[in-house]
Amino acid sequence: KAGVTQTPRYLIKTRGQQVTLSCSPISGHRSVSWYQQTPGQGLQFLFEYFSETQRNKGNFPGRFSGRQFSNSRSEMNVSTLELGDSALYLCASSLATGSDSPLHFGNGTRLTVT
Amino acid sequence: GENVEQHPSTLSVQEGDSAVIKCTYSDSASNYFPWYKQELGKGPQLIIDIRSNVGEKKDQRIAVTLNKTAKHFSLHITETQPEDSAVYFCAASRANSGYALNFGKGTSLLVTP
Repeated sequence: KAGVTQTPRYLIKTRGQQVTLSCSPISGHRSVSWYQQTPGQGLQFLFEYFSETQRNKGNFPGRFSGRQFSNSRSEMNVSTLELGDSALYLCASSLATGSDSPLHFGNGTRLTVT
Repeated sequence: GENVEQHPSTLSVQEGDSAVIKCTYSDSASNYFPWYKQELGKGPQLIIDIRSNVGEKKDQRIAVTLNKTAKHFSLHITETQPEDSAVYFCAASRANSGYALNFGKGTSLLVTP
């Protein structure tokens, strides 16, 4: 069974631009979550989607947004990029929302903002 | 909100020895505690998890213990091998938070032959 797939793996953007990251969950998984990983702040929760609805949102500015499609695939968007947005963005999927089904992570998209 | 603290930040052991990583959490409503292993260039991989109605769980060389009263949980790896070298993260979440995991800062484990 294929794991969580994130594209692209690497991305370099300039400050002020916007970026869209894509995530394909494990087949059959309906919940998709996004996390930001940085050396200073560690792993931080961005948001979770289940059945195309945002279920929960972390403490990030409105420049960070996401959506989920009917096939459970998800995208996240960051507008007006700042240098501090440089990070590894991880997508994770699970069968359902909540801790009853384990969370499986992809290998991430490494975003560098210059 | 939930605050998860993880110790130590780095741990070096010899092959065959045991390794213990400890985490504390602040939110008494947290009820799910997974542990993840992250290798260089990869995403975190779930290695074991425990729920608040269980005090201990074991899977081969890996075990996790939970003390709800003290609000701490630990990861125990026995008979360590060089391939256990990685960064390990503990996390905590509460049932009604969707899937918002609060992670510790990680422990870099090095197993030397």
